[in-house]
Amino acid sequence: DTGVSQNPRHKITKRGQNVTFRCDPISEHNRLYWYRQTLGQGPEFLTYFQNEAQLEKSRLLSDRFSAERPKGSFSTLEIQRTEQGDSAMYLCASSLVAGERTRRADTQYFGPGTRLTVL
Amino acid sequence: KNQVEQSPQSLIILEGKNCTLQCNYTVSPFSNLRWYKQDTGRGPVSLTIMTFSENTKSNGRYTATLDADTKQSSLHITASQLSDSASYICVVSTYGGSQGNLIFGKGTKLSVKP
Repeated sequence: DTGVSQNPRHKITKRGQNVTFRCDPISEHNRLYWYRQTLGQGPEFLTYFQNEAQLEKSRLLSDRFSAERPKGSFSTLEIQRTEQGDSAMYLCASSLVAGERTRRADTQYFGPGTRLTVL
Repeated sequence: KNQVEQSPQSLIILEGKNCTLQCNYTVSPFSNLRWYKQDTGRGPVSLTIMTFSENTKSNGRYTATLDADTKQSSLHITASQLSDSASYICVVSTYGGSQGNLIFGKGTKLSVKP
């Protein structure tokens, strides 16, 4: 399967614990996006990378959240001191664009998501 | 403020029937509009993408329309099947702005009953 993969698919944790999710994009894609989706809502943008550089972060990304893409391939999203309000589906998407800040919108391919439940 | 509004919020139809989902947007500058299908517990999958100059695009039993003047789009599903049960999300692309360039609607939850 050459699509976007995410691990784990499901994560249940207790409030206050740290969790880390992984996203493996389509291999030749240089952009990687993280979104959060709660029940009955559309995805909300969190952050995105162009290669290893984190180019934008949403105000939704509090200081408890950190994302990395150290080698420009896979990415991790860590949530520290989880809260019940962090319970959501975390989606990753990847795309291939030319140029660092292209003005043309790119086609994003989504992974299956990681569903986080904070008890 | 860039926004995408979808209606209805949810819809129940019988297998074999047709249905139309609506999307209104206030996004500027406009780049393109996409419809995604999202099965429960899965990531969204792209159905159609339309630029400013296109007013209709088909993908099998799915036909999307775009009226750039009124900033409205619709997704028509013909001869619905049980597998069409999913959320359908309208996404408008902008550029040169924030939010990674995609503005998402909240989706319409479609249930197709036998």
